[in-house]
Amino acid sequence: EAEVAQSPRYKITEKSQAVAFWCDPISGHATLYWYRQILGQGPELLVQFQDESVVDDSQLPKDRFSAERLKGVDSTLKIQPAELGDSAMYLCASSPSRGEQFFGPGTRLTVL
Amino acid sequence: QKEVEQDPGPLSVPEGAIVSLNCTYSNSAFQYFMWYRQYSRKGPELLMYTYSSGNKEDGRFTAQVDKSSKYISLFIRDSQPSDSATYLCAMRSDSWGKLQFGAGTQVVVTP
Repeated sequence: EAEVAQSPRYKITEKSQAVAFWCDPISGHATLYWYRQILGQGPELLVQFQDESVVDDSQLPKDRFSAERLKGVDSTLKIQPAELGDSAMYLCASSPSRGEQFFGPGTRLTVL
Repeated sequence: QKEVEQDPGPLSVPEGAIVSLNCTYSNSAFQYFMWYRQYSRKGPELLMYTYSSGNKEDGRFTAQVDKSSKYISLFIRDSQPSDSATYLCAMRSDSWGKLQFGAGTQVVVTP
């Protein structure tokens, strides 16, 4: 069964350092999403791509976060510099152009 | 006020009991409703996907949507210890936009 792949699964970093997360969506899925999930809360959308184009980044803190999906396949989410409040689970999801979203296992980030 | 409200629990039930979960929402534009199951330290797994009002059944799971009351429910029959997880409701107004999640309800099924 096809799955969304994410790496790394866990990341520990010190504040002010840069971190990057990678996502490989299910093959053929045109839409890719990055969500952030703080412990005890539901996921919140950071950015949505349709192929290589950003269609919604209204909740992305653009002073420190960036995301790209250069060839419309895999994607990278970067934080620079990381802050203590960025500690969370970062989830990637993908879907066909219209339909259900399938989530990857997530990257758990701890900022010390 | 959050767009989607969900009681965080925990909800503890004995094995074999029916688990009843629900969410309320304020945005009348929501038309697509989902339930996800999330085990500890894992990503959410889609359980049920429904459009507009009505009921949908899949095995031990039944999802209900009442748009007039802005209320959705998930029922799990014959609950098993393996059903112990956090259950997230999610919804959106169109077929491809961002999901608005509830905070999740932690369910514990005791043997």
